[in-house]
Amino acid sequence: RKEVEQDPGPFNVPEGATVAFNCTYSNSASQSFFWYRQDCRKEPKLLMSVYSSGNEDGRFTAQLNRASQYISLLIRDSKLSDSATYLCVVTMTPMNRDDKIIFGKGTRLHILP
Amino acid sequence: NAGVTQTPKFQVLKTGQSMTLQCAQDMNHEYMSWYRQDPGMGLRLIHYSVGAGITDQGEVPNGYNVSRSTTEDFPLRLLSAAPSQTSVYFCASSYWREGQGDHEQYFGPGTRLTVT
Repeated sequence: RKEVEQDPGPFNVPEGATVAFNCTYSNSASQSFFWYRQDCRKEPKLLMSVYSSGNEDGRFTAQLNRASQYISLLIRDSKLSDSATYLCVVTMTPMNRDDKIIFGKGTRLHILP
Repeated sequence: NAGVTQTPKFQVLKTGQSMTLQCAQDMNHEYMSWYRQDPGMGLRLIHYSVGAGITDQGEVPNGYNVSRSTTEDFPLRLLSAAPSQTSVYFCASSYWREGQGDHEQYFGPGTRLTVT
């Protein structure tokens, strides 16, 4: 099993709809989880951290399911500007020298007008 | 603050040529890393560093060398370019101390490299 796995998509979703995608991780000791957003031909940027209790930022909700070892990202009332690739990131906390920051391959999202 | 800067933005090399991709950050971050991104492969870690004088290998280090003589700079060297190294290269930095770190990575704009 790969360390971090994501459905590559693409997810084609009409504007205004709700979309959700997951990211599974294999190392049960992993402690820190993040979602990054990457626009076409641009660098990735942090979208939000994923806390044990879940967290919400406007239309975006991130949740962690430790028992099943996955994190999720829910986007409500999707906008055209949400079209991007969403990368999940898993690492250790605290992070020691030998710990690596592992990126998933990303899920492509296309919001359709 | 400029954040993370990378040069050049684009580069075309012939097989066998060498070159250095430059990366610099002005946020006093100890942790710096190099990734390559290929279609369908996501971001793959090449090398990383937790401070000046310290470097470690990532997932795909073969064909690349790094050094870290200062906190600010983390150049990536291709010793003998091969077509398989055609990719987009991203440099990133983040705050880090042994046993700490908020893990948010700041990425440079990337270098698009083509090896013919």
